[in-house]
Amino acid sequence: QSALTQPASVSGSPGQSITISCTGTSSDVGNHNRVSWYEQHPGKVPKLIIYEGTKRPPGVSNRFSGSMSGNTASLTISGLQADDEADYYCCRYASNYVFGSGTKVTVL
Amino acid sequence: QVQLVQSGAEVKNPGASVKVSCKASGYTFTSYYMHWVRQAPGQGLEYMGVINPNGRYSSSTQKFRGRVALTTDTSTSTIYMELSSLTSEDTAVYYCAREPPNSFRFDSWGQGTLVTVSS
Repeated sequence: QSALTQPASVSGSPGQSITISCTGTSSDVGNHNRVSWYEQHPGKVPKLIIYEGTKRPPGVSNRFSGSMSGNTASLTISGLQADDEADYYCCRYASNYVFGSGTKVTVL
Repeated sequence: QVQLVQSGAEVKNPGASVKVSCKASGYTFTSYYMHWVRQAPGQGLEYMGVINPNGRYSSSTQKFRGRVALTTDTSTSTIYMELSSLTSEDTAVYYCAREPPNSFRFDSWGQGTLVTVSS
């Protein structure tokens, strides 16, 4: 299984925007409709926040947005809030599922 | 509403097996593939495998092949994950997660089951 690389941590001040990258290979992340993102607060269950690379499930704040460029998927959180402090994981399917290494978001 | 309720925490000795259940409600059980994901303490999410709740298909990743059994009971809308030959490295929270048909995403998750392997 190929690895999906995410930065270990990203931080920002309230109100700012941050972007988390998820880099794979053309055979996995390059298949845009098979990339999803999950938010996980400490001690909590993961929650789907982006699917098919760019789509938000009902009920997910429009402050979360996904984008794709080549072999890199990105998650942008705009208008950063204290409650956004969590771990974020990308996930791709290419004959099997693989999660990214995870990114810890800190709100300063 | 959709609910995935997992069995309670387990403590096992090295070499033993553990069987975790995930009971689904609030939707048509056989219409959604079900997956298993685990998370070791302080670590990231690790994908384990998938089962079609009608029981006709299951698959696990290379890492777990031969050591994990995924089964289903349609009469109780429950899926099971049995992991054998446990070592301390299997200490983790195990999650079941639902996938809408051909959607490549996990839209609902169980609450997680902590499995501790310790002598």
